[in-house]
Amino acid sequence: AQSVAQPEDQVNVAEGNPLTVKCTYSVSGNPYLFWYVQYPNRGLQFLLKYITGDNLVKGSYGFEAEFNKSQTSFHLKKPSALVSDSALYFCAVRVYNQGGKLIFGQGTELSVKP
Amino acid sequence: EAGVAQSPRYKIIEKRQSVAFWCNPISGHATLYWYQQILGQGPKLLIQFQNNGVVDDSQLPKDRFSAERLKGVDSTLKIQPAKLEDSAVYLCASSLGRQTQETQYFGPGTRLLVL
Repeated sequence: AQSVAQPEDQVNVAEGNPLTVKCTYSVSGNPYLFWYVQYPNRGLQFLLKYITGDNLVKGSYGFEAEFNKSQTSFHLKKPSALVSDSALYFCAVRVYNQGGKLIFGQGTELSVKP
Repeated sequence: EAGVAQSPRYKIIEKRQSVAFWCNPISGHATLYWYQQILGQGPKLLIQFQNNGVVDDSQLPKDRFSAERLKGVDSTLKIQPAKLEDSAVYLCASSLGRQTQETQYFGPGTRLLVL
């Protein structure tokens, strides 16, 4: 079965420090990987995706993610965190030619303190 | 461009009552999805439409949930009768098509509380 794991329920970072939100996946087939962010009482907002090509993907608001096929990971990163980055982050996967649904991880709460 | 619209934003009902949620996707998006997000979990797909046809409803509890997209644009998701475990946020998403690489864009969701 296809699955996504976000091993940390919460990540705490000081403003200005780099941040990493971890994601690993388990799929049979070629994965297409996505990151979404959810602010309180709002829907999911698309950040970035990996389809093919360069393993380092750049997205919105200064976020980037690195696809690592051997480690089956797709960690989200940002060089310098802002207090406004505090939110719930979801990693998701779709598998090529296996339907349209996104399979989500359970989410990671990011807290950035001033 | 306008995003995915959903209404109502919040709904409180008692168990065994019925409820309906409405979604208007981004203009021109042929594919529409309904997801259920239970507190503390990631969203899970309930049903996927391509235009007005159902592509995937394998995770939809069909004894109580129904959905339609009659004219290939707006969609309605209904629960009848509701159970306590249906308390969740119901998210609608849309994408241009069904290609695997296409981005799904989400609406603000409807938060349902069943008492």
